[in-house]
Amino acid sequence: GENVEQHPSTLSVQEGDSAVIKCTYSDSASNYFPWYKQELGKRPQLIIDIRSNVGEKKDQRIAVTLNKTAKHFSLHITETQPEDSAVYFCAAIYAVGGSQGNLIFGKGTKLSVKP
Amino acid sequence: DSGVTQTPKHLITATGQRVTLRCSPRSGDLSVYWYQQSLDQGLQFLIQYYNGEERAKGNILERFSAQQFPDLHSELNLSSLELGDSALYFCASSEGGSEQFFGPGTRLTVL
Repeated sequence: GENVEQHPSTLSVQEGDSAVIKCTYSDSASNYFPWYKQELGKRPQLIIDIRSNVGEKKDQRIAVTLNKTAKHFSLHITETQPEDSAVYFCAAIYAVGGSQGNLIFGKGTKLSVKP
Repeated sequence: DSGVTQTPKHLITATGQRVTLRCSPRSGDLSVYWYQQSLDQGLQFLIQYYNGEERAKGNILERFSAQQFPDLHSELNLSSLELGDSALYFCASSEGGSEQFFGPGTRLTVL
């Protein structure tokens, strides 16, 4: 089955700096890789995702890169702000047709942005 | 607001008891997923339903069961509760793609 490893477990940056979180996955058949942001006590919220036919995707200050050969993908946050402080989860899924697969999550990265 | 609703928001009960958590997916979504998140832990996949049928099982205990009804809402039943079952329980739904949208969760406390 799929296994997702996420690093680092905690990350502290100064406001305005960049933050990078990395994940590796084991199942080469996985083809969808979402990133979720979870604030304390709240629901995980999808912030960006990438499919296996794309190498990079950007959305304002957030970008995700995917290296299928190495089976790893990364989240990049530029110009970090205090409101970016949260736990970030990566996930991988093998999605086929209408039933989808189930998401396998990394263990999360607690990002702290210091003003 | 993701469009996924869960009730109740909080649930406090005693060991040995049985509870039912309810989830209503986003309008049009056929798939419902249940996840457990213990304190300072990641999200553990429990079970998936698609249009009323069980599609995938994760680390779900035998004391736990779920179902999806014809109107597509889903219920997660937890029985013979133990202290270690205290956690946030999330459901998520998806349409036909891969994106899963999470509900606000039910915080279960077992005393």
